[in-house]
Amino acid sequence: AQSVTQPDIHITVSEGASLELRCNYSYGATPYLFWYVQSPGQGLQLLLKYFSGDTLVQGIKGFEAEFKRSQSSFNLRKPSVHWSDAAEYFCAVGTYNTDKLIFGTGTRLQVFP
Amino acid sequence: GAGVSQSPSNKVTEKGKDVELRCDPISGHTALYWYRQSLGQGLEFLIYFQGNSAPDKSGLPSDRFSAERTGGSVSTLTIQRTQQEDSAVYLCASSSGLAGVPTDTQYFGPGTRLTVL
Repeated sequence: AQSVTQPDIHITVSEGASLELRCNYSYGATPYLFWYVQSPGQGLQLLLKYFSGDTLVQGIKGFEAEFKRSQSSFNLRKPSVHWSDAAEYFCAVGTYNTDKLIFGTGTRLQVFP
Repeated sequence: GAGVSQSPSNKVTEKGKDVELRCDPISGHTALYWYRQSLGQGLEFLIYFQGNSAPDKSGLPSDRFSAERTGGSVSTLTIQRTQQEDSAVYLCASSSGLAGVPTDTQYFGPGTRLTVL
């Protein structure tokens, strides 16, 4: 069965610093991969998604993610973090034959001024 | 409406009581999902509706949990004889359902925070 691991529960960065949030998945075939962000008191918002093609995916709010099949990873990156990026980030995997998403446990990002 | 709405936003109940949680999907969306987010946990899939097809109930944790979707729109998640471990945020999402595969973006509501005393 497919699964998603986000090894970092909590990350703290300074505003303006670069960011990388890790995501590893387990699935035998080509997965569909997603990153969602959840701000306090808000629902989840899709940042970006990967299905096929270019392994570097651009998303909203200046985020990007790179699919690396050899490492079973889909890490989320941002070159310069803003204080408004403080939130919880979830990686998720979907597969072709099912419409449900399997989510990781999330990474909470804290941004210091 | 413009987005997925859920009601109530907060629900406090006593152990053993039944609760109903409501989800209004985006107009025209044929796919609707329920997830549960427990403290320190990721989102756990509960149930999925797609058009007139039989729902995928594979994520429901026990027979105390049920959901229905009337008229292909509004959905109600019912938890009978609530237990303290049911305390969580219950999230609803909808998608256009046109593709039939998870390439279709799921749009989430703000959730209902359920507290069972």
